[in-house]
Amino acid sequence: AQSVAQPEDQVNVAEGNPLTVKCTYSVSGNPYLFWYVQYPNRGLQFLLKYITGDNLVKGSYGFEAEFNKSQTSFHLKKPSALVSDSALYFCAVRGALWNQGGKLIFGQGTELSVKP
Amino acid sequence: DADVTQTPRNRITKTGKRIMLECSQTKGHDRMYWYRQDPGLGLRLIYYSFDVKDINKGEISDGYSVSRQAQAKFSLSLESAIPNQTALYFCATSDDREISYNEQFFGPGTRLTVL
Repeated sequence: AQSVAQPEDQVNVAEGNPLTVKCTYSVSGNPYLFWYVQYPNRGLQFLLKYITGDNLVKGSYGFEAEFNKSQTSFHLKKPSALVSDSALYFCAVRGALWNQGGKLIFGQGTELSVKP
Repeated sequence: DADVTQTPRNRITKTGKRIMLECSQTKGHDRMYWYRQDPGLGLRLIYYSFDVKDINKGEISDGYSVSRQAQAKFSLSLESAIPNQTALYFCATSDDREISYNEQFFGPGTRLTVL
């Protein structure tokens, strides 16, 4: 069965410091991995995805994520956090096999708080 | 995403009432989804539809039903609402091209409270 885990309910970072939001996954076959962000009172917005190729994926708003197959992880990172990055972040996965298409499995979310 | 709209945005209802949440999209996508969001549980898939004639149950479909009236419209119904259906509900869409790999576009959400 496919699953996603975000081990931290909340991450607190000072503005200007690097941030990491963790995600691990379990899926049969190769994974397709996604990060979404939810700002208060808004729907989810796509940030970035890993399908194949370079393990370091760059996305919107200066975010990037590193795919690590041996550790089955896909951590979200940003070199210098902004207060405006404060939001709820979701990791999601789907399998690459034909019978896994069409559905994303989401993690439980990590609340990122960036303080001035 | 303004291309995906949900009505109503907020709804308070009583136990036993029938409720319909509506979703419309102008993205031209074939695939549509309904999720519920609960604190600490993330998003859970209720139903999904790959086209007008293809509707599938997600992981938590009990107590819910859906209708795909057209490519652009996908409604979620609670036939007899109960308090543990109090949640934030999201509609999402995606196209059916494999190259998009299921990047989904979300509506603004409907906050439902069942008393």
